[in-house]
Amino acid sequence: GAGVSQSPSNKVTEKGKDVELRCDPISGHTALYWYRQSLGQGLEFLIYFQGNSAPDKSGLPSDRFSAERTGGSVSTLTIQRTQQEDSAVYLCASSFQAGGYNEQFFGPGTRLTVL
Amino acid sequence: EDQVTQSPEALRLQEGESSSLNCSYTVSGLRGLFWYRQDPGKGPEFLFTLYSAGEEKEKERLKATLTKKESFLHITAPKPEDSATYLCAVQAYTSGSRLTFGEGTQLTVNP
Repeated sequence: GAGVSQSPSNKVTEKGKDVELRCDPISGHTALYWYRQSLGQGLEFLIYFQGNSAPDKSGLPSDRFSAERTGGSVSTLTIQRTQQEDSAVYLCASSFQAGGYNEQFFGPGTRLTVL
Repeated sequence: EDQVTQSPEALRLQEGESSSLNCSYTVSGLRGLFWYRQDPGKGPEFLFTLYSAGEEKEKERLKATLTKKESFLHITAPKPEDSATYLCAVQAYTSGSRLTFGEGTQLTVNP
C-alpha cells in the first residue's frame, strides 16, 4: 500500500511569509507526527496527534508554528511569519497506534528554504 | 531529558569490511530503541525496534543489539548499497510517543 506522502517536496519562501505543509498518513494509522531535521542536526520532535485526543504540542519551537489534523487523517503544519532559522526538512510520520510498540513510518519530507 | 549520542559521526569501510555503529542513550524508562536508515533526500526508513536489554534483531547484513546503556548496529560484509546515514532513536515511557533521535552515523562503503 501507499506510504506517507508529503507536499510540496520543496518550498522556497521569503522571510515573513506564511507557509503550509501537508501530510497524508498511511491509511488506517491513528497517530501522526511532525519532526524537523535541520542541517547537521538530528530529527527534532514538533507535535503529534493520536485519534481524537488533544495533540501533544510540546515540541513546537514558537507560537508561529501550528498544526491541525482534519478527519483523523490529513495534517497541515503551518508556519507563520517565516524566519531564516525555520529553513529545514519537515518530516511527517505515522504509526498504527501511538505508544505501545509501534514503529513510526516516515514520509519523504518537505524541504523548506526561507530566503 | 532523554539523550541519544551516536558514534562515530562518519565511517568509511571497504566492501566486505565488517564494523559496528554505536548508540548511547540516557532515558528515564526505555519503552523502545529504534534504528532507521536514511538515504540522501529521503525520509528515514525503519529497520529495527529493540525493547529490552539482551535483545537482538537481524536483517540481511545488519544486526542490532541492546544493553541498558547502549545499542550497537553491526554490519557484516557490507556492500556499497549499505551506504547511508543510520539513525538511532529512543522512546521513553515519560515522553509519550515522541522519538528522540541521535545525529546519526554517515556510513560509506567503497567497492
